[in-house]
Formats: sequence, structure tokens, C-alpha cells
Amino acid sequence: SQKIEQNSEALNIQEGKTATLTCNYTNYSPAYLQWYRQDPGRGPVFLLLIRENEKEKRKERLKVTFDTTLKQSLFHITASQPADSATYLCALERSNTGKLIFGQGTTLQVKP
Amino acid sequence: DTAVSQTPKYLVTQMGNDKSIKCEQNLGHDTMYWYKQDSKKFLKIMFSYNNKELIINETVPNRFSPKSPDKAHLNLHINSLELGDSAVYFCASSSSDQGTEAFFGQGTRLTVV
Repeated sequence: SQKIEQNSEALNIQEGKTATLTCNYTNYSPAYLQWYRQDPGRGPVFLLLIRENEKEKRKERLKVTFDTTLKQSLFHITASQPADSATYLCALERSNTGKLIFGQGTTLQVKP
Repeated sequence: DTAVSQTPKYLVTQMGNDKSIKCEQNLGHDTMYWYKQDSKKFLKIMFSYNNKELIINETVPNRFSPKSPDKAHLNLHINSLELGDSAVYFCASSSSDQGTEAFFGQGTRLTVV
């Protein structure tokens, strides 16, 4: 069956360190993979998109990698800050569908 | 300026009632969605409309009926509400171009008692 898995346990790190979140999937062939941030009581907010033919994408302190062989995406936040504390969701999009399939999210807590 | 706005933010109602949630986007997008986020935080697509036409209809009870009067609006009507319908419902919009980001509303927390 098709499955998207993110670390279900919360990730706790110290301010200034790099946070690395994992998104693994099985039985999908996504054309795109997106990462979103969700704060309590709010809707998800788009962060980054990476295409199947791209290995890496960066935006400021954020970096996403996409390995279609391993069926895995890694999401990195460098020089993390307490304001980065939130739940991060990965989402797959197959071509020609426009439909996003979300993982369950990983909660990141950055401690000062 | 709110890009995707949905009302109400909170909705508490009794079992068996019928309720509606409204959504509007001012981004000029041609595709709108309804997602349901359950207590375990899984976000699952329910419906998608493109230019007022239904294009995605996941396995959702037919008590749920979306309606899109125009490209900027997508409402969700729920008949005969059940306890299991309690969740947060998110409206979203995007361009129909592939590989584009979705913009989400702030969510409607529905509690059925």
C-alpha cells in the first residue's frame, strides 16, 4: 500500500544546531515533493518544492534533498532558532493530479 | 489581505444537524480544495475543484457536498453530522499548473456533540 512516513516523535534540538527531518515514501512516484510548516491553530504554510529531477533545493536557512532511489526527502534547517519550532509536513504530488498527499508531520522544538 | 479565508473558525453543533463552511480566495487561483485534519494531525484531501468543476472526490461520505459558485469560492456543506466528523477542515487554493504551492486557510474546527 502507499505510505508516507515522517518521524512521528518530536524532534528536540538546541538553538543554533541543524535540524534534519525525514520523509520516506513507498509505492509512490511523485513528480514533486513539498514541505510545509504548520503552527498550532493555523493552516499549513508552504516552504519549499523540489522536483523529481532535482537533488537539492535551498532557501535561506532551509535545504531540501530528494532521493527518488531511496524514496526519501530530507529537510534541513541550519542555525535553528526557537521561532522555527512548529510541525513540518511533507507532501507528495504525482504529475497530472494536482493532489497533495501529506505525511503526518514531525514536530520540531528548538530550545534556547 | 487574507489570501484564503474560511468561516467560521470554530463550529460546535449537535449530531444530526446540517452545517456549512465557506471559503474564499483572492489569489486568482483556478483550483480549490477541501482537506480534513483529524486528531492525529493527518491532513487528507477530500475534494478539489478546478474552474468550478469537481476534479477530485476522495472516498468521502455523500453527506459532504462541496459547492463552487465561482472560481474564488468553494463551500462545504455537511448533512446529518456525526461525532466522527469532528476535525479541522482546511480550504486551500493553488494554480492548476503542476508543481505549485497550495495556500491554506486558517481552518475550521468542527466539534460535533
